[in-house]
Amino acid sequence: NAGVTQTPKFQVLKTGQSMTLQCAQDMNHNSMYWYRQDPGMGLRLIYYSASEGTTDKGEVPNGYNVSRLNKREFSLRLESAAPSQTSVYFCASTTGSSPLHFGNGTRLTVT
Amino acid sequence: AQKVTQAQTEISVVEKEDVTLDCVYETRDTTYYLFWYKQPPSGELVFLIRRNSFDEQNEISGRYSWNFQKSTSSFNFTITASQVVDSAVYFCALSEAMRGIQGAQKLVFGQGTRLTINP
Repeated sequence: NAGVTQTPKFQVLKTGQSMTLQCAQDMNHNSMYWYRQDPGMGLRLIYYSASEGTTDKGEVPNGYNVSRLNKREFSLRLESAAPSQTSVYFCASTTGSSPLHFGNGTRLTVT
Repeated sequence: AQKVTQAQTEISVVEKEDVTLDCVYETRDTTYYLFWYKQPPSGELVFLIRRNSFDEQNEISGRYSWNFQKSTSSFNFTITASQVVDSAVYFCALSEAMRGIQGAQKLVFGQGTRLTINP
């Protein structure tokens, strides 16, 4: 029972490079989310997918794109990384009756 | 807009003391959920409790208890007889109502309170 799996765990990028953060859940959840965590700011919602086939912006979507590939997978793409995107990224999933289940996070550093 | 405020940035107590973490929220929704999550030094987020807006009963789970008061828009968390393993960052969160979209919960998080329990 893996729950929510995020890859990679750590990543260092140079400014301007692109990358995709992967997230997969095996709990048959409808909704999936990407959050970023910065010191002193809690977690902020980047994008979410309420159900397969839909995606919507959260609080801080600028500089990111997402793809809900299927019910299990929800990826987050940084097209041109900036130092301001240095953060810890968490993927989460849920269905209506359950609380959010989080992955273990991806620590991204942009130099 | 929804907002969650955890005014205590850091708390440090000696083991076995009781400690209360404060959480104040703002929302215009009448239906909402409140949550507490724990983030230990290892970094994962651990769900502790979810409470819906219609249930103001206090909740107790072992050494943990939660006090929900709609009149003051607060959802405080108390740890009784604290232990070193309770050291973590604790987040309070509020879910926006997602009308018509079953299963979606957009959580708004507070800034977190770093709790250190000293032996």
